Amino acid sequence: DQQVKQNSPSLSVQEGRISILNCDYTNSMFDYFLWYKKYPAEGPTFLISISSIKDKNEDGRFTVFLNKSAKHLSLHIVPSQPGDSAVYFCAANYGTSYGKLTFGQGTILTVHP
Amino acid sequence: SAVISQKPSRDICQRGTSLTIQCQVDSQVTMMFWYRQQPGQSLTLIATANQGSEATYESGFVIDKFPISRPNLTFSTLTVSNMSPEDSSIYLCSVYAFPNTEAFFGQGTRLTVV
Repeated sequence: DQQVKQNSPSLSVQEGRISILNCDYTNSMFDYFLWYKKYPAEGPTFLISISSIKDKNEDGRFTVFLNKSAKHLSLHIVPSQPGDSAVYFCAANYGTSYGKLTFGQGTILTVHP
Repeated sequence: SAVISQKPSRDICQRGTSLTIQCQVDSQVTMMFWYRQQPGQSLTLIATANQGSEATYESGFVIDKFPISRPNLTFSTLTVSNMSPEDSSIYLCSVYAFPNTEAFFGQGTRLTVV
């Protein structure tokens, strides 16, 4: 049972344009959502997070939007840069289960110069 | 953020043998976790490493196959026992330290079983 789903295995974007990565979840208990970036041969690196009491969180070029009614969140990267090319994972947890994350399958983002 | 060192970074092992992976953190952390990423798959939580007591395993993972130790607040080990090719994966150590809201990951151990 995949509780966190990233339905797009890959995304290709031109440098300078917007990248939008999507994530859906099925478990209503989730109340905290995170995005991680992973380069080959490295561990995931934390990017940005959002609590279920918010619908938007912004950090520089990265913005995460949460639509609780649709159980959907998205990560926007503006402007996209070639160095953003990596695998992006959506993750979720709930309550006091800090650090115990349920991950999506990941989306490979490629930003072309 | 915590600096996490994982050893070894990669290994090729014979089936039927065991491998112990070490995770060292540069500061005391509240919680330590072990994840597995099978080829082409997502990250899956194996267990929570509890300091001074037995680890808490997620569904589908058992202590006999993945014994875990956590002798103090900065160190943990995961052993992959009696390995088969299906155990070929990336194994990742993760830590959480209050009052942060995010977990941090080591660089992972890429295990290939032949």
